[in-house]
Amino acid sequence: NAGVTQTPKFQVLKTGQSMTLQCAQDMNHNSMYWYRQDPGMGLRLIYYSASEGTTDKGEVPNGYNVSRLNKREFSLRLESAAPSQTSVYFCASSVRRDQGNTGELFFGEGSRLTVL
Amino acid sequence: KQEVTQIPAALSVPEGENLVLNCSFTDSAIYNLQWFRQDPGKGLTSLLLIQSSQREQTSGRLNASLDKSSGRSTLYIAASQPGDSATYLCAPAGGATNKLIFGTGTLLAVQP
Repeated sequence: NAGVTQTPKFQVLKTGQSMTLQCAQDMNHNSMYWYRQDPGMGLRLIYYSASEGTTDKGEVPNGYNVSRLNKREFSLRLESAAPSQTSVYFCASSVRRDQGNTGELFFGEGSRLTVL
Repeated sequence: KQEVTQIPAALSVPEGENLVLNCSFTDSAIYNLQWFRQDPGKGLTSLLLIQSSQREQTSGRLNASLDKSSGRSTLYIAASQPGDSATYLCAPAGGATNKLIFGTGTLLAVQP
């Protein structure tokens, strides 16, 4: 029962470096999401993909890009990492019902990123 | 803009107590509301999902209620156990994209 799998689990970058966080789900879900979690600020939506072939910005998209590679995979790229992007990143997925109402969100275990 | 508040921010109770966690939200135009549990250093685990047309959902010792009109949800935990110790987050979802807006959570410690 893999569910939502994120890689890598830990990463340390220097300012200006780039990297891609990978996410894959095996639950045949339509929708996928990237969140970041920071102390005192809760989880904030970075980008989401309502269905294969579509992506949209969330609350805090600046400095990030995403790719919905296929139905299973949704990657998050930091082109030029900044210390403000030090955070824990979570990928999630859900089914998509009519009119945008989705079911339960299932989360990965998180990717802990430090930018020096 | 949806704002979500969870009270209390932290709670410590002895094992066996029944307890209530509160969640309030400012925009009542939601599709559903989810309660999650997060253990330290881990991802979020979905506990209960309440659709906007429902008043409550139950799973084992957990019962969640939803009052859309007043912008409130409660999570009731019966007969608490040390294994219930975790951070509990509520997240109402609204709009065409099902954007979940998370509260900052209640940190629960159940003492043996």
